[in-house]
Amino acid sequence: ILNVEQSPQSLHVQEGDSTNFTCSFPSSNFYALHWYRWETAKSPEALFVMTLNGDEKKKGRISATLNTKEGYSYLYIKGSQPEDSATYLCAPEGGSEKLVFGKGTKLTVNP
Amino acid sequence: NAGVTQTPKFQVLKTGQSMTLQCAQDMNHEYMSWYRQDPGMGLRLIHYSVGAGITDQGEVPNGYNVSRSTTEDFPLRLLSAAPSQTSVYFCASSYTSGTAWPQHFGDGTRLSIL
Repeated sequence: ILNVEQSPQSLHVQEGDSTNFTCSFPSSNFYALHWYRWETAKSPEALFVMTLNGDEKKKGRISATLNTKEGYSYLYIKGSQPEDSATYLCAPEGGSEKLVFGKGTKLTVNP
Repeated sequence: NAGVTQTPKFQVLKTGQSMTLQCAQDMNHEYMSWYRQDPGMGLRLIHYSVGAGITDQGEVPNGYNVSRSTTEDFPLRLLSAAPSQTSVYFCASSYTSGTAWPQHFGDGTRLSIL
């Protein structure tokens, strides 16, 4: 079973701040790294998938990078807005298509 | 478009009762999975299936059974409910050609075991 760590567990920022958080995972048996966004009282929504070392993905003000050699991914949010408040989940995928989710980073953006 | 449909949305059971949580998708997705969400624990994979007739265990399979007789449906069975199974359960699906990306989640089933 993959040991997936996300840090910090929670984060409070002011509107307009930029922020980032980390997903760490074992680098062996790696196939892909998923990021999901989970708003309160809703279901998780897919953000990014990355497979190659050095991959970078961007969606609006949110971007992510991947380092498969050292086993980590960063998620960045530029100019945070209150609507960015959510829990951000990462999930490494091994070769068997089995996903193991981290516990998430809960982001609160104060207006 | 229905997407992933979970029923029921809420359920209260007594210890020892059995129950089936239903999950159906209308997107012709091959990959389907069940997760449970507990406070401070994130999403934990219970069982998953990469196609009809194929199922496999996730991180926390004990106490749960699954089967996949059709592409559309992936029911989760609790044979003898225990208070430790009180949780919110999410079903998810994806079109797979060797990857679980992206997962489309249902709205969840909130289950309480007394």
